Amino acid sequence: GNSVTQMEGPVTLSEEAFLTINCTYTATGYPSLFWYVQYPGEGLQLLLKATKADDKGSNKGFEATYRKETTSFHLEKGSVQVSDSAVYFCALSEAGGFKTIFGAGTRLFVKA
Amino acid sequence: EAEVAQSPRYKITEKSQAVAFWCDPISGHATLYWYRQILGQGPELLVQFQDESVVDDSQLPKDRFSAERLKGVDSTLKIQPAELGDSAMYLCASSLTRNTEAFFGQGTRLTVV
Repeated sequence: GNSVTQMEGPVTLSEEAFLTINCTYTATGYPSLFWYVQYPGEGLQLLLKATKADDKGSNKGFEATYRKETTSFHLEKGSVQVSDSAVYFCALSEAGGFKTIFGAGTRLFVKA
Repeated sequence: EAEVAQSPRYKITEKSQAVAFWCDPISGHATLYWYRQILGQGPELLVQFQDESVVDDSQLPKDRFSAERLKGVDSTLKIQPAELGDSAMYLCASSLTRNTEAFFGQGTRLTVV
């Protein structure tokens, strides 16, 4: 079945460091891909998305590119801030929008 | 800004008791989802509604869980009887259609003692 695998956390970085959180997926057809963020005590918020191969989603300095050849959707940010500390979830929405499947999440800690 | 409303935010209940959660989606959103998020894991879909109809409840433990969306607007998720393993965050989300972005509520954190 369809699945999402993302790197285990926690990831601890110093402020202004470069961030990469790896995400790979298994899916039939052409899913849409998402990154969601969950700040402490809050619900999930959509961070960015890409709906077809080679699309790049971007928001708040984060970006991720839909790579069909490597079935990946890695999240990157050039310079993280303390306020980026949160749990990040990679997800895919099955073709036709029948179900969204989430990865296990990666907790990010950014130190001042 | 429109939000998905959930209540209560926190619930502590004893094993074998009944518990219910309520969700009010963003106005006009036809698709409503209930997810369960166990600590340290990603959300797992329990049930998906399109208007008032269930379109996916394959992961819903139907012997104890039930969900309804009678008028195709707000929804209730019920657990009876609750078990210790049901302790988790229960998230509701809605989307305009099933192909569009899902917006999440803040969740209900359930603790079963």
